[in-house]
Amino acid sequence: SAVISQKPSRDICQRGTSLTIQCQVDSQVTMMFWYRQQPGQSLTLIATANQGSEATYESGFVIDKFPISRPNLTFSTLTVSNMSPEDSSIYLCSVEWAENSGNTIYFGEGSWLTVV
Amino acid sequence: QKEVEQNSGPLSVPEGAIASLNCTYSDRGSQSFFWYRQYSGKSPELIMSIYSNGDKEDGRFTAQLNKASQYVSLLIRDSQPSDSATYLCAAASGGSYIPTFGRGTSLIVHP
Repeated sequence: SAVISQKPSRDICQRGTSLTIQCQVDSQVTMMFWYRQQPGQSLTLIATANQGSEATYESGFVIDKFPISRPNLTFSTLTVSNMSPEDSSIYLCSVEWAENSGNTIYFGEGSWLTVV
Repeated sequence: QKEVEQNSGPLSVPEGAIASLNCTYSDRGSQSFFWYRQYSGKSPELIMSIYSNGDKEDGRFTAQLNKASQYVSLLIRDSQPSDSATYLCAAASGGSYIPTFGRGTSLIVHP
């Protein structure tokens, strides 16, 4: 499987500020995704990061709040803009990886954000 | 709306017992199914994937899939305290490998 690195791993952010999370993969991958996991909740897909074009956002998520870049097949960033305490969450980068039996989603280590 | 349902638990089992985790899904078009383990403070780690009806074994883990009943399960044999974690079930439809996740079942294995 691919090795997926995220940074920062953890941060405490002030209300109203923005933070950019970086995701680096050690292999070229076609599909990269960003998930959010709020405390006590499951994983919610924010968007698919498309290389060379605008990200595809899921219902309830918008580009102004969560701008995403995907400049190449190994790197993506997610920005959480104008943060509020409700944005306190784990943000996870993930990639689709082809294996013999089928395609699988793997996750990075996650970025734990606390907004105060 | 695609949904994946899991009992949130906690499921408590003694060390050495078999832990049985269950999951149902709503989308009959789902073709790929996954179990992830998530330790507290960590990201989800894939432990099993299953794509066809029946059982799939990997070490102490067995995944079971019944598409007719829209049911997926994970059995953990000889449970160890280190297996204590939240187990996330996920299902993906054919043509899209983006899975829908359940809310997870908390497993506690006590010595």
